[in-house]
Amino acid sequence: GAGVSQSPRYKVAKRGQDVALRCDPISGHVSLFWYQQALGQGPEFLTYFQNEAQLDKSGLPSDRFFAERPEGSVSTLKIQRTQQEDSAVYLCASSLGGSHTEAFFGQGTRLTVV
Amino acid sequence: AQRVTQPEKLLSVFKGAPVELKCNYSYSGSPELFWYVQYSRQRLQLLLRHISRESIKGFTADLNKGETSFHLKKPFAQEEDSAMYYCALHSNFGNEKLTFGTGTRLTIIP
Repeated sequence: GAGVSQSPRYKVAKRGQDVALRCDPISGHVSLFWYQQALGQGPEFLTYFQNEAQLDKSGLPSDRFFAERPEGSVSTLKIQRTQQEDSAVYLCASSLGGSHTEAFFGQGTRLTVV
Repeated sequence: AQRVTQPEKLLSVFKGAPVELKCNYSYSGSPELFWYVQYSRQRLQLLLRHISRESIKGFTADLNKGETSFHLKKPFAQEEDSAMYYCALHSNFGNEKLTFGTGTRLTIIP
């Protein structure tokens, strides 16, 4: 596809369940980002990959959150033992890399933990 | 730490009237500032960035380092401008992450 693709679009999880969110970046984009957007807030940075290397995971809120990008393309954000405060829209973005480059966003995955 | 503040959560403007969406930032270095827009049922997309000093869809934004502001302006609002607008900051220390404000929902009244 032409843009960043995320799946699933919607996910309802019972508290304590593990979830996996997928991001397909634009082909050839070196940089990949995950953001968390709570209701009424702006996106907040979670983690950043350059190719397969996770260069910054300072935004991950706890050790229940884990992200990977093993082949430098598709990325998965995994949340273990989900809690209600994890309910949010999870956004993936990709860019060619380097400063001054535009980040292209996916449509997001809306996670609701019940 | 870097921070972006958008003081207005909601802003309503009549069609044809001027629009100004406020954005202030705090950052110790020399930042790169962006405005992102999200139209109804669409994904977040870049509207403009300060470094290119261009006008997109009639919008402009000037970086004022003295006031640490990057307000978004348009002289004559159009109905299709109704959307959610986010101001974002990118540091220049090799960390590519964006720091976003909380956003302003702009509604243009016909």
